Parts: sequence; structure tokens; C-alpha cells
Amino acid sequence: AQTVTQSQPEMSVQEAETVTLSCTYDTSESDYYLFWYKQPPSRQMILVIRQEAYKQQNATENRFSVNFQKAAKSFSLKISDSQLGDAAMYFCAYRTNTGNQFYFGTGTSLTVIP
Amino acid sequence: EPEVTQTPSHQVTQMGQEVILRCVPISNHLYFYWYRQILGQKVEFLVSFYNNEISEKSEIFDDQFSVERPDGSNFTLKIRSTKLEDSAMYFCASSGTGGGLIRNQPQHFGDGTRLSIL
Repeated sequence: AQTVTQSQPEMSVQEAETVTLSCTYDTSESDYYLFWYKQPPSRQMILVIRQEAYKQQNATENRFSVNFQKAAKSFSLKISDSQLGDAAMYFCAYRTNTGNQFYFGTGTSLTVIP
Repeated sequence: EPEVTQTPSHQVTQMGQEVILRCVPISNHLYFYWYRQILGQKVEFLVSFYNNEISEKSEIFDDQFSVERPDGSNFTLKIRSTKLEDSAMYFCASSGTGGGLIRNQPQHFGDGTRLSIL
């Protein structure tokens, strides 16, 4: 079974600085999808960024980028120029190529310090 | 931007009672999901639903659980006889507009319903 591990339960970053959230996963599949979701205090999970495993190029969405290391099964999220609104719980998620269910990590709570 | 909406935001129920959690997915989405998150733990998949039937379910989704799409807009999760360990945040999600590969389309989540079993 697929597992997703987020080893940092809490992280903090100074406003305008850069922070990296770690995620590793375990799978025997070669094709799959990886996601980062943000869950602000309002509780709705919002898609931040996604990566297709067959793509070597790291995904980027404005201030958010990933470092996808397929061999190492690592999928970290970098947030540049952190803003107060980035404060949230961040979940890393894995989805198989064939199924629809997500496998989530336990989340990293990010605090942004003004 | 369209959203997935869930009601109620907080449900308190006596152990052994039936509870129905309601969700209105994004209107043109085709796939529907329920997840739960026990306090302090990871988000866990319960079930996915497509074309009026369950397409996938996890070990958690036993005979006490059922899902239904009673009309063109609602998607419900029913727990027949609630147990203390059913206390959790339940998230509904939807995805898939039918254009392009379904797996390329992300799931959109609702705010969740906090279920407290007494």
C-alpha cells in the first residue's frame, strides 16, 4: 500500500522568507500523481500544486514550487516570499495512476511570523 | 469560483444513532468522494462514487456506511449506527468535468463536517 510521510509536524517562517516542507512516499508504481494541499483555518482544502510522476520538470505555481526526486521518492514544497496568508496546514498527497483515492500525509502546520 | 459545500458544519449525535452528512459537489463534476480525519491524524479515504455507484472504497467503509446521490446536486454519507470512534472531521470532495483525463483533474474539497459522537 502507498504511504505518505510528512516528518515535520510544525514549521515556521519569517514573512518574505523561503520555507521548504518535506514529503516522502512509498510506492511500487512508476506512474502516479503527487499533490500539495493547503488547509487554512477555514478548513477547506485547496490545491496548491501537483506533479505528474512521468514529468521530470518540477512543477511551479507562482511562489510555490516542488522538488520532485523520483528515485528518492521525495516531493518537497518550497514557498518563496512567504506571506501571512500562507499560514495553514499543508498536506502532501499521492494518487495512483489507475485509482481515484488520495493517500495523505499527516500534515505540516506552517506558521508565518510577521 | 464554484465550491463544494457541506452541511452541517458540526453534527453532534448520540452513539448508536444514524447520521447523514450532506454535500453539494461542484455542479459539473462527475466523481465524488468522502474522506475523514480523526483529530490529530491523517486524512483517510472512505469512498469514491461515479455514475451512481461506488467505484472504490477503503477498509474503513464497512456495512455501517453508505453513500447516495439522491438527486442531481446532493451527495450524502450515512452512518447507520454511530460509534464513538466515528468522531472525526468528514470531508466531501468532487472532481472530473468529463473533459480530458479524469486523473489529471484535482479533487476539490468542502469545508468539512465535524461529527461528534457522545
